[in-house]
Amino acid sequence: EDQVTQSPEALRLQEGESSSLNCSYTVSGLRGLFWYRQDPGKGPEFLFTLYSAGEEKEKERLKATLTKKESFLHITAPKPEDSATYLCAVPQTGANNLFFGTGTRLTVIP
Amino acid sequence: DVKVTQSSRYLVKRTGEKVFLECVQDMDHENMFWYRQDPGLGLRLIYFSYDVKMKEKGDIPEGYSVSREKKERFSLILESASTNQTSMYLCASSLSGGPGNTIYFGEGSWLTVV
Repeated sequence: EDQVTQSPEALRLQEGESSSLNCSYTVSGLRGLFWYRQDPGKGPEFLFTLYSAGEEKEKERLKATLTKKESFLHITAPKPEDSATYLCAVPQTGANNLFFGTGTRLTVIP
Repeated sequence: DVKVTQSSRYLVKRTGEKVFLECVQDMDHENMFWYRQDPGLGLRLIYFSYDVKMKEKGDIPEGYSVSREKKERFSLILESASTNQTSMYLCASSLSGGPGNTIYFGEGSWLTVV
């Protein structure tokens, strides 16, 4: 059965304090791992797709990495505007939709 | 830029009412999806469509139906709204050709059933 687990559920950081968010997954044959950012009251905004172990992608202060069992979203020197919920998702086995984790709610304090 | 537009951002409906949530995408995507999002449960797939007039049930289709008469438009219908359908509803779309294609979301529709 497909499973996506994100940790921690919530994370509070001081501005400039780097950290990592974790996404563990169980799926039959990975066909991509997706990271989204979601601001309160809005729809998820696409950030990255990773397709194979060892792959890394960066965007501003965010860097996503992928292993065979998990993905990390590293946030370097975060700013208050990075505060959001970060979701990871994998394609559901045998389907074209995404199966989502419940997200990590990140708060960056000035 | 991909644009997925949900026509109603906030709705308040009474129990038993029929509710229509409309979604339009402007990128000629074949796949369209309806999810609902609830605290602690994440996003759950209600229905998706991979072509005009085609639909597939997702994980939680009970109490919902969908309509896709045109490629760019995908409607979610609550035949008789109930209070447990109070939620945020998200429409999304993607290209066909495999599950590795990015899914793009609309801004969401907040539905309250009283």
